[in-house]
Amino acid sequence: DTGVSQNPRHKITKRGQNVTFRCDPISEHNRLYWYRQTLGQGPEFLTYFQNEAQLEKSRLLSDRFSAERPKGSFSTLEIQRTEQGDSAMYLCASSPTGGPTGELFFGEGSRLTVL
Amino acid sequence: AQSVAQPEDQVNVAEGNPLTVKCTYSVSGNPYLFWYVQYPNRGLQFLLKYITGDNLVKGSYGFEAEFNKSQTSFHLKKPSALVSDSALYFCAVRDMVGKSTFGDGTTLTVKP
Repeated sequence: DTGVSQNPRHKITKRGQNVTFRCDPISEHNRLYWYRQTLGQGPEFLTYFQNEAQLEKSRLLSDRFSAERPKGSFSTLEIQRTEQGDSAMYLCASSPTGGPTGELFFGEGSRLTVL
Repeated sequence: AQSVAQPEDQVNVAEGNPLTVKCTYSVSGNPYLFWYVQYPNRGLQFLLKYITGDNLVKGSYGFEAEFNKSQTSFHLKKPSALVSDSALYFCAVRDMVGKSTFGDGTTLTVKP
């Protein structure tokens, strides 16, 4: 068990470009979450998956954002036509169950800088 | 809707002194409360949680937290702070479908 892995760790892009982040959760975890964190704020919920099913999307997630978890294993978060306001740390977390009692296991995050 | 407030952006303590990092919450129904720690350039790490039972819960690295239902608080504590405890601490509440809401974090600085 190597924990939650996120790639790339850092991405610098120009406004208007598309970017994709990948998250590999802990293998036996069927829940996967994406959060966004900006400086001085706590993680904000974006979306989550139960296996391959995307169960909820935050209103923060505009139509330029899309997330997938095609085989219930790794997940991708794509941002199309990036804007400077998209600059943030994108965090992935997984958990073995969907209930309220288990803790989240976080990756180290993917930092996006939009120029 | 659930929410979490961490009223202090920064907490400074001297090494060896007790520390408290404050958290208050708002939920409908039973609260499921968590503390996470974030070291520079690292992901968030779980410290401890309150689900039910004893109001004082113990976690990793000597940390503990006190759940107070009447005050809707879940303060993080440690009897004797270490310089290595310096980090960013987040309080979170988790809902019935497993979605977590986080506070804005408190930076703890422990000075030698």
